[in-house]
Amino acid sequence: DAGVIQSPRHEVTEMGQEVTLRCKPISGHDYLFWYRQTMMRGLELLIYFNNNVPIDDSGMPEDRFSAKMPNASFSTLKIQPSEPRDSAVYFCASSSRGRADTQYFGPGTRLTVL
Amino acid sequence: AQSVAQPEDQVNVAEGNPLTVKCTYSVSGNPYLFWYVQYPNRGLQFLLKYITGDNLVKGSYGFEAEFNKSQTSFHLKKPSALVSDSALYFCAVSPGGYGGSQGNLIFGKGTKLSVKP
Repeated sequence: DAGVIQSPRHEVTEMGQEVTLRCKPISGHDYLFWYRQTMMRGLELLIYFNNNVPIDDSGMPEDRFSAKMPNASFSTLKIQPSEPRDSAVYFCASSSRGRADTQYFGPGTRLTVL
Repeated sequence: AQSVAQPEDQVNVAEGNPLTVKCTYSVSGNPYLFWYVQYPNRGLQFLLKYITGDNLVKGSYGFEAEFNKSQTSFHLKKPSALVSDSALYFCAVSPGGYGGSQGNLIFGKGTKLSVKP
């Protein structure tokens, strides 16, 4: 199994630009999670999906952030417009209820907003 | 409120000595409990989990964790630390666990383990 795949691995953009992060979960997993990690705030859950449906988006910082999961094998996290304070590492993870919720993380996308 | 606490920001251990990274939780029901490790510039990696049964759980890289229901703790342990164990360790809990899982995990803030030669 290839594991959770995220792209791009690094993204550098300027303030005000739109940023799209992508995630391919492990095949057969029915949960998908987006996290953000910073030195100041640690690991934060932004949103998670079950069977492509958003379950809890209470962690999404503000309306500039949006996430979609059009099918079981693909999800995007979009920031529009981006701001310097959005600079962080964004992780995607997936899991299956059949495996007691063990989450498997992707390698992350390091986002830098100048 | 449901929560996970890792009371130590950093744990320093000499190579070859035993190590303990502490975790306590506050959730309802019978939760699933997890430990993850994060090496620099990498994603979190699953180490071990407790679902039910034997309170001592063995995981990857020689790590083990002991579930203590009365103390609501799930401390991570290793008999002999290696320099390569130096990393960030996260405790996590699945609220509701067996029969009541909501699918998500609540993570602690992490403990940095530093093993010196």
